[in-house]
Amino acid sequence: DVKVTQSSRYLVKRTGEKVFLECVQDMDHENMFWYRQDPGLGLRLIYFSYDVKMKEKGDIPEGYSVSREKKERFSLILESASTNQTSMYLCASSLGDNSGANVLTFGAGSRLTVL
Amino acid sequence: GQNIDQPTEMTATEGAIVQINCTYQTSGFNGLFWYQQHAGEAPTFLSYNVLDGLEEKGRFSSFLSRSKGYSYLLLKELQMKDSASYLCAVMDSNYQLIWGAGTKLIIKP
Repeated sequence: DVKVTQSSRYLVKRTGEKVFLECVQDMDHENMFWYRQDPGLGLRLIYFSYDVKMKEKGDIPEGYSVSREKKERFSLILESASTNQTSMYLCASSLGDNSGANVLTFGAGSRLTVL
Repeated sequence: GQNIDQPTEMTATEGAIVQINCTYQTSGFNGLFWYQQHAGEAPTFLSYNVLDGLEEKGRFSSFLSRSKGYSYLLLKELQMKDSASYLCAVMDSNYQLIWGAGTKLIIKP
């Protein structure tokens, strides 16, 4: 069974702390994505990556950075957490053929609360 | 701007049929996706439409009209386990996904 695993389901951090969210996929997918999900809003893309060491900004990259040192791992970093970054963070991956039917496989999510 | 609209919440009865609508305005079109998300869980893929018409997959069907910027997800013989949020997403001309806010479907016995 293919899987996207996010290291932490629930995190509570203080304002100003550095936060790492880890995501690992075992499907040999080229593409990996970080989204945040907030009530009443559609999924919003933070960053994505089509290859190792490659990253592209999504719609809301401010306050975030990412790292993809290995194909299977895509990390989201909050350099200095703020309360408006309290959210559910979803990692996803997909095959690299970039066709229209590029189905995303999601992780279970990391719910971050910043106090 | 790009926009996906779907109802916030719907209620239906076990064993019945429900139709969840999705309308979209995007820069180009490269397909429309439906995902199911149970509370506290990951979204999972349900269907993909790129051509007009109906795609049937068991109890679930998805319809697309590109000229109208409209899709619906039809769920038949509803079961309690179908209680979930249903997310509509459109792939635009840059192959980026634009997401609706999701429709929370409540199934009552």
